[in-house]
Amino acid sequence: GDSVTQMEGPVTLSEEAFLTINCTYTATGYPSLFWYVQYPGEGLQLLLKATKADDKGSNKGFEATYRKETTSFHLEKGSVQVSDSAVYFCALTERSGGSYIPTFGRGTSLIVHP
Amino acid sequence: DAGVIQSPRHEVTEMGQEVTLRCKPISGHDYLFWYRQTMMRGLELLIYFNNNVPIDDSGMPEDRFSAKMPNASFSTLKIQPSEPRDSAVYFCASSSGLAGGDTQYFGPGTRLTVL
Repeated sequence: GDSVTQMEGPVTLSEEAFLTINCTYTATGYPSLFWYVQYPGEGLQLLLKATKADDKGSNKGFEATYRKETTSFHLEKGSVQVSDSAVYFCALTERSGGSYIPTFGRGTSLIVHP
Repeated sequence: DAGVIQSPRHEVTEMGQEVTLRCKPISGHDYLFWYRQTMMRGLELLIYFNNNVPIDDSGMPEDRFSAKMPNASFSTLKIQPSEPRDSAVYFCASSSGLAGGDTQYFGPGTRLTVL
């Protein structure tokens, strides 16, 4: 079945540092790829997504590129802020039999210090 | 739009009691998902519905768990009887498959504590 693997956290950075959170996936077809973010005490919310190979999703300074050849969707940000401290989830959805199956990674906690 | 609404936000109960969690999806969305989140197991998909019909309940841990969606605007997740290991945050999410946007919209969650 489909799976998503993320780097384990926590990732601890100083403000203005460069961020990379690795994500790789396995899927049988052509999934859509997502990054969701969960702030403390809240539900997950979409950060960015990409629906086909070589697409780049971007939002709030975060970027991720759909790399089909390496089955990866790594999240990057050039300069993190304390307010970016949250848990980040890589996910995919793939249509199967007329419906679609969502698969989430385990999540990576990001802690940004002033 | 009000977003996905879940109630209650917090629930504390004793082992053996029945617990009912409620969810109102975003109007017009035809998929509804129930997830459970714990530190040990991360985010687990329990069950999801398409047009009020359960499609995949393979994630439901055991017969003590049941979920219903009597109409497009309401769903429940019931645990009977509850056990301490059911303590977790339960999320409801909805999405629309028609617009081609597979994004899931999550509710704020219900934090369940079983004593």
